[in-house]
Amino acid sequence: HSALTQPASVSGSPGQSITISCTGTSSDVGDYNFVSWYQHHPGKAPKLLIYDVSYRPSGVSNRFSGSKSGNTASLTISGLQAEDEADYYCSSYTSSTTAVFGTGTRVTV
Amino acid sequence: EVQLVESGGGLVQSGGSLRLSCAASGFTFGTYEMNWIRQAPGKGLEWVSYVSHSGRAIYYADSVRGRFTISRDNAKNSLYLQMNSLRAEDTAIYFCARDFTGRGVYAFDIWGQGTVVTVSS
Repeated sequence: HSALTQPASVSGSPGQSITISCTGTSSDVGDYNFVSWYQHHPGKAPKLLIYDVSYRPSGVSNRFSGSKSGNTASLTISGLQAEDEADYYCSSYTSSTTAVFGTGTRVTV
Repeated sequence: EVQLVESGGGLVQSGGSLRLSCAASGFTFGTYEMNWIRQAPGKGLEWVSYVSHSGRAIYYADSVRGRFTISRDNAKNSLYLQMNSLRAEDTAIYFCARDFTGRGVYAFDIWGQGTVVTVSS
C-alpha cells in the first residue's frame, strides 16, 4: 500500500479554521472507517487526535474534528492556535490487515 | 504513569543486526496490541510491524518482511524488534506504540520517545 496523500503544507491565521485532506484508495480509506489522525511536534512523541474517522480520545480538544467521504478523509482544526503548529499525519487500516500513514502535512500558524 | 520507553538503537554497518526493546509501564501490557513505527530523517511516519496481545497474530510492512521480527514478553512487559540484514534505508527513529482500541485497527494512543537507528553503508 502506498502512503496516503496529504498536502505538504497548510497555513492559517490564529482563530481561523483549516482542513487537511488525506486521500487513499478503496483498499484503505475508502473501505474502512479506521482512519486516525496524529499531531507530531518534532522531537516529541506523536499524539493521537482522532480515531475511527471522527472520534476524539479523552482529553483531546474539540477544536479537532474528523470526517470522511469516499477515499478521502479530512481533519479540521478550528480556532487555530499557535501551539497547533506541527506536523499532522493520517493513517488507515488496509485490506492487507496492515497500516499505512499519510505523507504528512506541516501546519503553520 | 502510562509510559513506553525504547532502547537498543545505535550505529550499525549495512548487513548487520540490532535488537530494539520497548519497556511498558503504568498499564496492563498483556491486554494491548503493540506496534513499531519509524521515521526516517526528513521523512514521514512509516508503520513497521504489529503484534496482537497474545503474540499469535503478527504483521509486517513489505519493506521489512523477512528481515525484521517482532515479539513480546508479557511477563516482562516488553516489546521487541529484531532487525537483521539492515540497510541504509532502515536509518530512522523507531517508536513503539500502543493500539488502544483492542480491535487491531491501528489507533495508537501511547507512543515512546523513540530510539535512533543509523545504518552506515
